[in-house]
Amino acid sequence: NAGVTQTPKFRILKIGQSMTLQCTQDMNHNYMYWYRQDPGMGLKLIYYSVGAGITDKGEVPNGYNVSRSTTEDFPLRLELAAPSQTSVYFCAAAYYTGELFFGEGSRLTVL
Amino acid sequence: GQNIDQPTEMTATEGAIVQINCTYQTSGFNGLFWYQQHAGEAPTFLSYNVLDGLEEKGRFSSFLSRSKGYSYLLLKELQMKDSASYLCAVRGAGTALIFGKGTTLSVSS
Repeated sequence: NAGVTQTPKFRILKIGQSMTLQCTQDMNHNYMYWYRQDPGMGLKLIYYSVGAGITDKGEVPNGYNVSRSTTEDFPLRLELAAPSQTSVYFCAAAYYTGELFFGEGSRLTVL
Repeated sequence: GQNIDQPTEMTATEGAIVQINCTYQTSGFNGLFWYQQHAGEAPTFLSYNVLDGLEEKGRFSSFLSRSKGYSYLLLKELQMKDSASYLCAVRGAGTALIFGKGTTLSVSS
């Protein structure tokens, strides 16, 4: 069982470039989340989804977009990357309101 | 809005007991979670409280008082491997899970 898989694990972007962070889960969990974590800070919620076709904004959605076309996949799109988006991004899945299972994280640097 | 507060840092020695506090203000309440995060790794689940009282799981226990908006994580018989960040997270009225900034615990010998 892979759980929650994120790709890529590391990425360097130039200012203004765009990219998609991939997240897929094989647990058949309906709730999925994207968080970002800056040094010394907790996790900030970017977007979340309670099922295919449904997404909601979290605490810090600006500069990001998501889609949820299937139960398994929840990609996070960064448009026009900015240095402020340098962070570690975590995807997580949960069975309804239960505990979150996290992916290993994607470390993004915008230069 | 939601607000979750925890101490930034704590230190303790091996074999000791440490209590990490978390206070929260949320619109509605559907559960409080504690996660452990070692440096450079993803958070891992420790405990979940939705009713008042103490939940015990081996060396770790978590307490909740909904009327006071207060929880604590109690770690007993501390080991060096317990050096990590401990994250308090609250699910309010909706489905979003909001995290505090975390408490970095350093255990020394």
